[in-house]
Amino acid sequence: KNQVEQSPQSLIILEGKNCTLQCNYTVSPFSNLRWYKQDTGRGPVSLTIMTFSENTKSNGRYTATLDADTKQSSLHITASQLSDSASYICVVSGNNAGNMLTFGGGTRLMVKP
Amino acid sequence: GAVVSQHPSRVICKSGTSVKIECRSLDFQATTMFWYRQFPKQSLMLMATSNEGSKATYEQGVEKDKFLINHASLTLSTLTVTSAHPEDSSFYICSARDVRSSYNEQFFGPGTRLTVL
Repeated sequence: KNQVEQSPQSLIILEGKNCTLQCNYTVSPFSNLRWYKQDTGRGPVSLTIMTFSENTKSNGRYTATLDADTKQSSLHITASQLSDSASYICVVSGNNAGNMLTFGGGTRLMVKP
Repeated sequence: GAVVSQHPSRVICKSGTSVKIECRSLDFQATTMFWYRQFPKQSLMLMATSNEGSKATYEQGVEKDKFLINHASLTLSTLTVTSAHPEDSSFYICSARDVRSSYNEQFFGPGTRLTVL
C-alpha cells in the first residue's frame, strides 16, 4: 500500500531558528515528490517538486532533499519567520495511470517570536 | 503561473439544503480536476477525480449521489453537496492538473469552508 509518513507531527521553534521536517514514503512506482505549505484555512501551495534524479532543490529559505534509494525526503527551513507558521505536507506522485497523489499527514509548524 | 480559484470561499447552510462549490482554472485548461475534503488537523483526502466531458470517478466510501460533480468545460468543475448534514461540514479543496507542466502538476484552489447547521 502506498504510504507517506511525516515527522514530527508538530513543531514549535523560535523565530530565526532553522528546522528540518522529515518525509518517508513507500509509493511505487515513483514519479516525483512535492512539498507544499498550507496556511490555516487556505489551499496548499507548492514549494518544491523533485524527481528521482534530483537530490536537492531550493526555493528561497526552503531546501528540500530527496534520497530515492532510502525513500526519504526532508524539508529544511532556514532563518524561520513568523509567516512560516503553517502545515507542511509531503506528497508523492506515482508513475502510473492518473499520476495519483499520496499525501502525508503533514507537520504543523509554529514559529514563535 | 497556474491559478485555481474556488467560489464561495465560505458557506453556511441549513441541514437538508444543497450547496454548490465552483472550481475554476484561471489561466490554463484542465481536462482533469480533483476534489478533496480536509477535516481539522488532518491531511487532504481525495473524494473524486473529475474529467471534462465524462463522469467523475469517486473514491471508495464517497457517495456519488450525495456529492455531485460536473466538469462541463475545460476550466470549470462544480461540486454539489446534496441534502447537506452537519457531518458534511468540512474544508473542500479542488485542484486542477496542468498538462503543460512537465510534472503534470496539480494546482490547488484556496478551499471552501462549508458549515452545515
